[in-house]
Amino acid sequence: TQLLEQSPQFLSIQEGENLTVYCNSSSVFSSLQWYRQEPGEGPVLLVTVVTGGEVKKLKRLTFQFGDARKDSSLHITAAQTGDTGLYLCAGGSYSGAGSYQLTFGKGTKLSVIP
Amino acid sequence: DTGVSQNPRHKITKRGQNVTFRCDPISEHNRLYWYRQTLGQGPEFLTYFQNEAQLEKSRLLSDRFSAERPKGSFSTLEIQRTEQGDSAMYLCASSSKQPGIYGYTFGSGTRLTVV
Repeated sequence: TQLLEQSPQFLSIQEGENLTVYCNSSSVFSSLQWYRQEPGEGPVLLVTVVTGGEVKKLKRLTFQFGDARKDSSLHITAAQTGDTGLYLCAGGSYSGAGSYQLTFGKGTKLSVIP
Repeated sequence: DTGVSQNPRHKITKRGQNVTFRCDPISEHNRLYWYRQTLGQGPEFLTYFQNEAQLEKSRLLSDRFSAERPKGSFSTLEIQRTEQGDSAMYLCASSSKQPGIYGYTFGSGTRLTVV
């Protein structure tokens, strides 16, 4: 069974601060995706990382995939209140039937206080 | 393109009743997935369709659950004889040929409460 552990589980910070959240697994994934979910809504894809060691930047968000493709981090610079939400990492792998399945972590609930 | 649409958004039902949810994926996506998310957890895989064929089912999908995707368009998820443990957000997602690159597009989900 593939498991993804995210830390911290909860994070409350002041607007303007920087933060990093982590996603760790003992399994290797073909790719790793980060989603953001707001209450009562479905997750929305932020980024996909595929290559070990890959770094992707999306405005104030920086995503990194570990060299061994087992872990990832999300760094937010100068957090804004609009960044508040649940951040989910999901490891992707193809099953025997050919479906690309995502294994999600429990998420990091981020609150950015004005 | 209005994204992935799910109906109803909320459903409250009494234990033992049957419920059915509908998902309309993005029209050009041939892959459709159902996930379930309980409070404080990430989504968990339930089942996968490629076109009209149901190719994979999780062990979470007990025999009270059935999913269909007639003609490879919309999909329905039915739960028979609901139990309180079925209370969750049921999420539908669709993807293109390269979900490993472009990810899933999720709907807003159907929140089921079994009382």
